[in-house]
Amino acid sequence: DTGVSQDPRHKITKRGQNVTFRCDPISEHNRLYWYRQTLGQGPEFLTYFQNEAQLEKSRLLSDRFSAERPKGSFSTLEIQRTEQGDSAMYLCASFAAGATEAFFGQGTRLTVV
Amino acid sequence: SQKIEQNSEALNIQEGKTATLTCNYTNYSPAYLQWYRQDPGRGPVFLLLIRENEKEKRKERLKVTFDTTLKQSLFHITASQPADSATYLCALGGTGGSYIPTFGRGTSLIVHP
Repeated sequence: DTGVSQDPRHKITKRGQNVTFRCDPISEHNRLYWYRQTLGQGPEFLTYFQNEAQLEKSRLLSDRFSAERPKGSFSTLEIQRTEQGDSAMYLCASFAAGATEAFFGQGTRLTVV
Repeated sequence: SQKIEQNSEALNIQEGKTATLTCNYTNYSPAYLQWYRQDPGRGPVFLLLIRENEKEKRKERLKVTFDTTLKQSLFHITASQPADSATYLCALGGTGGSYIPTFGRGTSLIVHP
């Protein structure tokens, strides 16, 4: 499969625990984005990388959230001290250089209990 | 404030009819507008892009129009089929040179056999 891959697909965690999600973009894509989507809403931008550089973060992203893309390939999104309001689908998308079409992964569904 | 508005009510139509979905926006000057399809529990899939200097784009049974004066895009699916049932998201891009696509909440389309 040469598409965007996200792991895990589903995660159930207790409030207060830390979670980490992984995204493997399409190999030649240099831009990688994280979005969050709740039921009945569209994807909401969290942060994006161009190669290994994190270029922008949403002001909605609290300091409990951190993302990395250490070698400009895969990316991780960590949420510390999870809260029930963090329950959502976390989507990763990658773009080829100069392109406007987003290729999304299947998402990671997080449930905080 | 910036808004992207898509009808939150589901659109129900009969198979074979043309479905028309609307995306309105305020306080944006997008360089392009995109439409994505999203099935339950899955990531969005890119369908069509239309640039600010284009009035209409077609792809098979899909047609998109873009009116930058009205700040509106219409998305049409002709000869609709039950398999077209999904949520359709519009996304604005290139506002102020930004590389961050901003999504509407989507409209659910249900095509009845």
